Amino acid sequence: EPEVTQTPSHQVTQMGQEVILRCVPISNHLYFYWYRQILGQKVEFLVSFYNNEISEKSEIFDDQFSVERPDGSNFTLKIRSTKLEDSAMYFCASRGFDGEQYFGPGTRLTVT
Amino acid sequence: GENVEQHPSTLSVQEGDSAVIKCTYSDSASNYFPWYKQELGKRPQLIIDIRSNVGEKKDQRIAVTLNKTAKHFSLHITETQPEDSAVYFCAARGFKTIFGAGTRLFVKA
Repeated sequence: EPEVTQTPSHQVTQMGQEVILRCVPISNHLYFYWYRQILGQKVEFLVSFYNNEISEKSEIFDDQFSVERPDGSNFTLKIRSTKLEDSAMYFCASRGFDGEQYFGPGTRLTVT
Repeated sequence: GENVEQHPSTLSVQEGDSAVIKCTYSDSASNYFPWYKQELGKRPQLIIDIRSNVGEKKDQRIAVTLNKTAKHFSLHITETQPEDSAVYFCAARGFKTIFGAGTRLFVKA
């Protein structure tokens, strides 16, 4: 069964550094998402991406965040200058047309 | 902005009993309502979903009901088992997917 994959599984970075989180969505899916989950809290929507552009973004997704689909398979989330409060689990998800979302295993980001 | 309220935040039941989790959404454009189960340290896994043109859906021990007029939807788990213990999230999707705050379900053997 096809799966969404994410790398790395755990990223440790220093405050102020840039990080790129990578996702490979399911190959025939059209919609891509990033979510974040702070430890013990709910899943929070960050951004959705369709047809090579952002379709929706939340208030969390400020100028420090950007997304890219640099080729036909990868979908990346970049945080330009990380803050302590960016420490969380980041989930990528994808879905086909009008289908269910499939989540990746997540990347745990720790900002020190 | 859009919001999804989920109750209760914690639910403890005896094995074999039923569990009910309720959600309310605010965005009238929401037309798809998935429920996810998340075990500790794992990704959310879809367990059941319902679309806005359906009032009820059942899959073995799990059922979901939707009242579009009241903007309520609920998850029902019957004959609970210890392996049902997890955090359950409801969500509502319009232009974006908004998650509820989660319900931590404990099933005591």
